Amino acid sequence: EPEVTQTPSHQVTQMGQEVILRCVPISNHLYFYWYRQILGQKVEFLVSFYNNEISEKSEIFDDQFSVERPDGSNFTLKIRSTKLEDSAMYFCASSGQGMNSPLHFGNGTRLTVT
Amino acid sequence: AQSVAQPEDQVNVAEGNPLTVKCTYSVSGNPYLFWYVQYPNRGLQFLLKYITGDNLVKGSYGFEAEFNKSQTSFHLKKPSALVSDSALYFCAVRPPSGTYKYIFGTGTRLKVLA
Repeated sequence: EPEVTQTPSHQVTQMGQEVILRCVPISNHLYFYWYRQILGQKVEFLVSFYNNEISEKSEIFDDQFSVERPDGSNFTLKIRSTKLEDSAMYFCASSGQGMNSPLHFGNGTRLTVT
Repeated sequence: AQSVAQPEDQVNVAEGNPLTVKCTYSVSGNPYLFWYVQYPNRGLQFLLKYITGDNLVKGSYGFEAEFNKSQTSFHLKKPSALVSDSALYFCAVRPPSGTYKYIFGTGTRLKVLA
């Protein structure tokens, strides 16, 4: 069965550094998402992406965050200048056509900002 | 505001007994409803979704969910719990219009005791 893949699985970075988290969504999916989860708790929406542009973003997704789909297969999340509170598990997800299409998640990237 | 509530942080059940994990939602219109399971250090895995007209929906691994429109609930059930069902369970809702995002509940940790 097709999967969403994320790299790296772990990323440690120093405060103020830029990080790029990478994802390869399921190939025939049209909607792409980033969520994050802090300490195994609540799953928080960051951003959705459709038709090569951001369709919706949360208040967490400020100017330090950006997303890109550079080549039709990869979907990246960039954090320009990381803060301690950005430490979390970041999940990429994708879904197909139709409002009742479920999200399919990758296994996440654990980001630790020191 | 649109929201999903999972009133129990943790549910304990003996192996072989039936289990219920509760979910209620507050969304205008007829939302799309989903259940996900998360094992340690993994992404969220789709279990089942509500299908219009079916008040009892069957999903993966013997799980089912009961939809109740008047109570705006979508409780996850299983007739006979297994120790391997121990995990974190998330209810999610996608509003019928006006947003691309899936809203997740706070999660319920299910512990099945041998």
